[in-house]
Amino acid sequence: GAGVSQTPSNKVTEKGKYVELRCDPISGHTALYWYRQSLGQGPEFLIYFQGTGAADDSGLPNDRFFAVRPEGSVSTLKIQRTERGDSAVYLCASSVGTSNSPLHFGNGTRLTVT
Amino acid sequence: AQSVTQLGSHVSVSEGALVLLRCNYSSSVPPYLFWYVQYPNQGLQLLLKYTTGATLVKGINGFEAEFKKSETSFHLTKPSAHMSDAAEYFCAVSLGGSQGNLIFGKGTKLSVKP
Repeated sequence: GAGVSQTPSNKVTEKGKYVELRCDPISGHTALYWYRQSLGQGPEFLIYFQGTGAADDSGLPNDRFFAVRPEGSVSTLKIQRTERGDSAVYLCASSVGTSNSPLHFGNGTRLTVT
Repeated sequence: AQSVTQLGSHVSVSEGALVLLRCNYSSSVPPYLFWYVQYPNQGLQLLLKYTTGATLVKGINGFEAEFKKSETSFHLTKPSAHMSDAAEYFCAVSLGGSQGNLIFGKGTKLSVKP
């Protein structure tokens, strides 16, 4: 079956621009997570959705970052006024939603801010 | 606060040799512990996990890990390395017992020599 799909796979943007990154979770998965992986680092938690609502957004680094999941399926991570330090691979994961269910990760979107 | 330390950013073994990837954690509550693997150009994949119960956990592809509370360790082992094991391995600990809000280590890249 289809896994977690992230688009685009690569995104290059100029400093100061706005970007949107999309995540299509596995069908039926109610929990959705965004992580960010910088070069040489492990993934870093950003935000977690249970259904349509953000259950935990404590990992968002500042108010330039925002994520939505309006219908409880597809999610969009939005970054305003991008900075070079935002360059990273942004990972999306989904799970069935129970505390014992493992995460299924997408291949990520590599964002480069020039 | 939880944290994860992976000793060695790169490990190289010969095909057929023992694989040992080290992971130490700190947690103020009983931890859930995970190993994820990332093959080239693929998303993160769960290798194995410890939640409760038996401290020796077996995962996919012949890997296993042992939770040692007294040593705060969760080292990953495999008796005999295959070329196909070459990948990056991440140890992670959960926040609050959830399997989704994870703190990852920086990763260990495993190379397997013929």
